[in-house]
Amino acid sequence: KNQVEQSPQSLIILEGKNCTLQCNYTVSPFSNLRWYKQDTGRGPVSLTIMTFSENTKSNGRYTATLDADTKQSSLHITASQLSDSASYICVVSPGGYNKLIFGAGTRLAVHP
Amino acid sequence: KAGVTQTPRYLIKTRGQQVTLSCSPISGHRSVSWYQQTPGQGLQFLFEYFSETQRNKGNFPGRFSGRQFSNSRSEMNVSTLELGDSALYLCASEEENTGELFFGEGSRLTVL
Repeated sequence: KNQVEQSPQSLIILEGKNCTLQCNYTVSPFSNLRWYKQDTGRGPVSLTIMTFSENTKSNGRYTATLDADTKQSSLHITASQLSDSASYICVVSPGGYNKLIFGAGTRLAVHP
Repeated sequence: KAGVTQTPRYLIKTRGQQVTLSCSPISGHRSVSWYQQTPGQGLQFLFEYFSETQRNKGNFPGRFSGRQFSNSRSEMNVSTLELGDSALYLCASEEENTGELFFGEGSRLTVL
């Protein structure tokens, strides 16, 4: 069964600290893996998209890694800011016209 | 370039009524997908349309339907509303070259 599991479910960190969010997937075939940021009550915004051949991709203070062998991805946030408080969603695409598989998300709260 | 536009942003209905939500994709995008997000839940895929044809469908009852027009604008309809249909309904359009999804701000439906 195609699944995407994210951990932790929620996380609280202090402003300025780093954190890492995890995503494990059992999706086959695999085309790409995406990370989205969703502010409360808003639509998700794309952070990164990685294909099978990409190990890491950065978007400002956000760095995503992908290990296609172990089917794991992580999203590392550096020097967190209050505006990073949001849900972070990992999404895997099997490719073609197959529908995307969404993780349940990690809710991050950054406190001053 | 204008983003994905969803209307209305907020609406309140009572049980048994029906509702129609609208989504205007980014100009040039031919794929539109719809998602339901309930409090504390991840995004649940409803359906996807491409060039006026339904390309994929999620596991929702027949009360949920959609369509796409020749200008790529899409509508989704929910008939015989139930309390459990209260949710944020998100629409996304897809950039064909990259597969990247661009989400609207959503329509928040409350069923009383």
